[in-house]
Amino acid sequence: ILNVEQSPQSLHVQEGDSTNFTCSFPSSNFYALHWYRWETAKSPEALFVMTLNGDEKKKGRISATLNTKEGYSYLYIKGSQPEDSATYLCAFRNAGKSTFGDGTTLTVKP
Amino acid sequence: NAGVMQNPRHLVRRRGQEARLRCSPMKGHSHVYWYRQLPEEGLKFMVYLQKENIIDESGMPKERFSAEFPKEGPSILRIQQVVRGDSAAYFCASSPKSGSAAEKLFFGSGTQLSVL
Repeated sequence: ILNVEQSPQSLHVQEGDSTNFTCSFPSSNFYALHWYRWETAKSPEALFVMTLNGDEKKKGRISATLNTKEGYSYLYIKGSQPEDSATYLCAFRNAGKSTFGDGTTLTVKP
Repeated sequence: NAGVMQNPRHLVRRRGQEARLRCSPMKGHSHVYWYRQLPEEGLKFMVYLQKENIIDESGMPKERFSAEFPKEGPSILRIQQVVRGDSAAYFCASSPKSGSAAEKLFFGSGTQLSVL
C-alpha cells in the first residue's frame, strides 16, 4: 500500500502571508508527482506535474519543488490571497493509478 | 470541449437497492479512473479502466462493486445492494490516450451517493 502524506492538514493565514505545504511519498519506483487544487463545490484541477528530481514548477504566485531521492515535494504560495483558499492535494502517480494524499486545506483571511 | 461529465450529481438509494454512476470522459480520452471520498476522508482509488478493459481494480471492494467502460458509451460504476457505508462522493477522472504518468487527470464534479 502506497503511503502519501501531506502536512499540515489545515492552515489559516492572513492575506499577504506566504506559506508552504509538504507532500511525502515513497522514494522508490517513482514516476510522477502531481499537485491539484480543489476548491469547495468544484472538482480537483491539476496545478503541476513533476517528473524529474530537482524539478521546479511555477504558475503565478504558486510554485513547487520535487526531491525524488528523499521522497518529498513542497508547494509554495507567495503573498496568499483569499481566492487561494482551497484544499491542495498531491498525488503519487505510477504507470497506472494515482494515490492521493489527504490534502492541506488552506484558508486565507482578508 | 466538454469536460468530464458525471451523472447524476446526487443519488439517493435505500439499503438493498442498486446504484449506477455514470462517467463520460473528456473527448479523446480513453483512460478512466474512479475515486471515492468517504466523509472526512481523502480521495481513495477504486479502479482504472481503458476502453473495454479493467487495468487495475485493486481499490474496489471485492463484493457488490463493479465497473465497466464499454466501447461505446460512458463508464459505469455499479454498486449492488447498497449499504449505509457506501454513502460517499464518487469522482471520475480521465486522461488522454497514452495513460502516461506525466499526464494530469481531469476530474468530473462527482456523484454524491446517499444511502437511507
